[in-house]
Amino acid sequence: AQKITQTQPGMFVQEKEAVTLDCTYDTSDPSYGLFWYKQPSSGEMIFLIYQGSYDQQNATEGRYSLNFQKARKSANLVISASQLGDSAMYFCAMREGNQAGTALIFGKGTTLSVSS
Amino acid sequence: DVKVTQSSRYLVKRTGEKVFLECVQDMDHENMFWYRQDPGLGLRLIYFSYDVKMKEKGDIPEGYSVSREKKERFSLILESASTNQTSMYLCASSSQGGRYGYTFGSGTRLTVV
Repeated sequence: AQKITQTQPGMFVQEKEAVTLDCTYDTSDPSYGLFWYKQPSSGEMIFLIYQGSYDQQNATEGRYSLNFQKARKSANLVISASQLGDSAMYFCAMREGNQAGTALIFGKGTTLSVSS
Repeated sequence: DVKVTQSSRYLVKRTGEKVFLECVQDMDHENMFWYRQDPGLGLRLIYFSYDVKMKEKGDIPEGYSVSREKKERFSLILESASTNQTSMYLCASSSQGGRYGYTFGSGTRLTVV
């Protein structure tokens, strides 16, 4: 079974609109972290936002917020006031536990296209 | 600015060649990782290392090996490159348990012909 599921291969939005990118996860570990990364066409992975499993409040970083619904195992990324520069691939990722060398597990990604 | 540097941005190799992909980080991170990225499949973990000379297999280690002789350097080795190893390879490093700790290199786009 997939640990991270991103069900939207592609999303389209107009400038200045808000957009939600979906992510569900599967883990039995009570301690985990959820990450969102942006990958523009240049290829680098840009960290956007983090949510820890014990965090009481939803994470926010500027125009990015994470809609964390723990019981539903959902960690959707919300981008407010989309900009043309937001066009990119977006990955949801999870770190299970906190052992030495714990790797991130990635979803398959969502391509976001922002039009003017 | 902290960095993870991958030695090559683009690489073209012939089938059967031995290929080395190098990754260097300057953050004194304990952990380093190699992923490959293919369209529609996301990033898949090949190998990781949590200390010098320590290595662990990820989800898709077949056809690859790694070397970590120094803390800052983590090499991915394709012993005999094949066309199905044509992909984007991403290196990352992290500190222990860091919420911001995963830093990625710019990637190496490898083509095996």
